[in-house]
Amino acid sequence: DVKVTQSSRYLVKRTGEKVFLECVQDMDHENMFWYRQDPGLGLRLIYFSYDVKMKEKGDIPEGYSVSREKKERFSLILESASTNQTSMYLCATRTGNTGELFFGEGSRLTVL
Amino acid sequence: GQQVMQIPQYQHVQEGEDFTTYCNSSTTLSNIQWYKQRPGGHPVFLIQLVKSGEVKKQKRLTFQFGEAKKNSSLHITATQTTDVGTYFCAGNSGYSTLTFGKGTMLLVSP
Repeated sequence: DVKVTQSSRYLVKRTGEKVFLECVQDMDHENMFWYRQDPGLGLRLIYFSYDVKMKEKGDIPEGYSVSREKKERFSLILESASTNQTSMYLCATRTGNTGELFFGEGSRLTVL
Repeated sequence: GQQVMQIPQYQHVQEGEDFTTYCNSSTTLSNIQWYKQRPGGHPVFLIQLVKSGEVKKQKRLTFQFGEAKKNSSLHITATQTTDVGTYFCAGNSGYSTLTFGKGTMLLVSP
């Protein structure tokens, strides 16, 4: 079974803090994704990566950056957290360009 | 950009009733996927449809992909309380990323 592990299930941060969300997968998948999920808005793509050290902007990249130094690890960074970044963050992986997504358990971030 | 619209946003049924959610894309899709997210959980892949007019069944769930490959539906026959959750469609156009619909939340009363 594919395992996608997100480092924190729940985080509470203050406005202006730097936040790291980490995602690790154990299936050697090339593609990794970060989504945020908000009620009524569904899943929106923040950033994705097709390979190590490669990153592409998704639909809502503003206020976020990412890092992929190793194939199995994809980090989402909030340089200066704001209250409108309070959300559920979901990491996902897949092999190839058209396969199914495997999601992590999610990280619920609250920014005060 | 590509948009995927999903209706209804919410549906509440009595156990044993049928349920259908519909998905429409603004562009032709190479394939469409369906996911289920249980309350408090993460999305889990259900199925992928690739061919025009394709119909696939998983027990009480029937998935259809339209002839023009721009719409899809998920039908659940005789719902059970275990069907509770949010159902998402997600479309692929060529080699782009998946675009998700906003989901349909299904509540089933016993």
